[in-house]
Amino acid sequence: QKEVEQNSGPLSVPEGAIASLNCTYSDRGSQSFFWYRQYSGKSPELIMSIYSNGDKEDGRFTAQLNKASQYVSLLIRDSQPSDSATYLCAVSASGTYKYIFGTGTRLKVLA
Amino acid sequence: ETGVTQSPTHLIKTRGQQVTLRCSSQSGHNTVSWYQQALGQGPQFIFQYYREEENGRGNFPPRFSGLQFPNYSSELNVNALELDDSALYLCASSARGTQETQYFGPGTRLLVL
Repeated sequence: QKEVEQNSGPLSVPEGAIASLNCTYSDRGSQSFFWYRQYSGKSPELIMSIYSNGDKEDGRFTAQLNKASQYVSLLIRDSQPSDSATYLCAVSASGTYKYIFGTGTRLKVLA
Repeated sequence: ETGVTQSPTHLIKTRGQQVTLRCSSQSGHNTVSWYQQALGQGPQFIFQYYREEENGRGNFPPRFSGLQFPNYSSELNVNALELDDSALYLCASSARGTQETQYFGPGTRLLVL
C-alpha cells in the first residue's frame, strides 16, 4: 500500500462545476495535510493546509479532513479552465518534518 | 518578501559527472528541504537541513549530499550521476514550528545523458 494515494485521473469537469479530489494516507499519526497545485513544467504551489478534522474553506477551495478514515479531500467550486493542473496531496509524516506526496490527480476543466 | 529561488533552471550532464544545485530560502525561513520529482510522479523527499545540519533523509543513496549555509541557503550535490537522476529537483523552505508549511522554488530540471 502506498503511503499517500490519489487517483491519477484525468478528472474532467465542465466549467462552473464542482471538482472533487480525494487522497488517502496510511500513517495514522500524520498531523499536517496539504494540497498543492502544479501546472505542467512548473513547481508545486500551495493551495491549502489543514490540520484538524472537518472543513476549511478559502475562496473557491474547501479542504476536508477525516483522520478516522485517513482521508483528505479538496473541493473546487465554480471550476475554471485555469484550474486545469495536477493537484498533489502531501502529508507530513508523524515525528518528522518531511512531506510525503501522492502521485497527483490531473484535473481538466472543460470550457 | 522574497520567495524561494533556485539555480540553475536547467542543466544537462552526462553519466558519471557531478552536479551542484543551489537554493535560497524565503525571507524568514530557516529550514530547507530538497525533493526529486520524476516525470508523472509526486515529489520524493531527499533530505532536510535545519541550522546547517541534516535533519532527516529519504531513501536516497549517499551520493546525494547537501549543505546549508549560515544565511539558510542550501546546496544539493549529486555525484556519479546516473540516467535515473534525470528529474525536476525542488527546494522548499519553511519556518521551524509545529505546523510548518513548505513553499517551493521554481525547481531545477536536470537531464542526464
